[in-house]
Amino acid sequence: QFVLTQPPSVSGAPGQRVTISCTGNSSNIGTYYGVHWYQQLPGTAPKLLIYGNNIRPSGVPDRFSGSKSGTSASLAITGLQAEDEADYYCQCYDSSVSRYLFGTGTTVTVL
Amino acid sequence: QVQLQQSGPGLVKPSETLSLTCSVSGVSMSSYYWTWIRQPPGKGLEWIGYTHHTGATHYNPSLESRVTISLDTSKNQFSLTLYSVTSADTAVYYCATGSDSGYYKWWGQGTLVTVSS
Repeated sequence: QFVLTQPPSVSGAPGQRVTISCTGNSSNIGTYYGVHWYQQLPGTAPKLLIYGNNIRPSGVPDRFSGSKSGTSASLAITGLQAEDEADYYCQCYDSSVSRYLFGTGTTVTVL
Repeated sequence: QVQLQQSGPGLVKPSETLSLTCSVSGVSMSSYYWTWIRQPPGKGLEWIGYTHHTGATHYNPSLESRVTISLDTSKNQFSLTLYSVTSADTAVYYCATGSDSGYYKWWGQGTLVTVSS
């Protein structure tokens, strides 16, 4: 369907590195459109973490980094902290369906 | 700093119209695309559409026949109207903005709208 696919959950111990994948196709991530990432803590609005594939807004720790290759993108969190427990969503424009798509969402658990 | 403050009813009856307003402060409405996004309880995010001060609008094709997003720069507000709602429209609705490139730096606090008789 018209979604960007993410793993439902990832987990890691404090201090570890985790990555979240976001898989699309040639109509969205595989184009020149940028991929953006958001963090959503329970009961709150999403917060922009990464825009334009790999750019961190001011105030976002450099533990968060983004990348894109072909029809997939990834968010990496290094030095995992308890406060990173949240849901994470990728986002990209899709030219075939003429709308912005969000990923299916990934819950990060800190063990 | 930039603030988006949402207002509107939290309960709408089936077949009626959902109306929400987002009041903006700290940024000119002559910049950016002004967007609505929703999230059904326990589910992911769905992009509804945007409006721009030029009058341009762009809606999710799955909602296009029932949705209007409008801008009132004199009041520093933009609004969402969704017609003929059903229980499938029950969700937390967010207003958002912050770029011309499709990402959202600033978000409203969210409004849970329940469609029920």
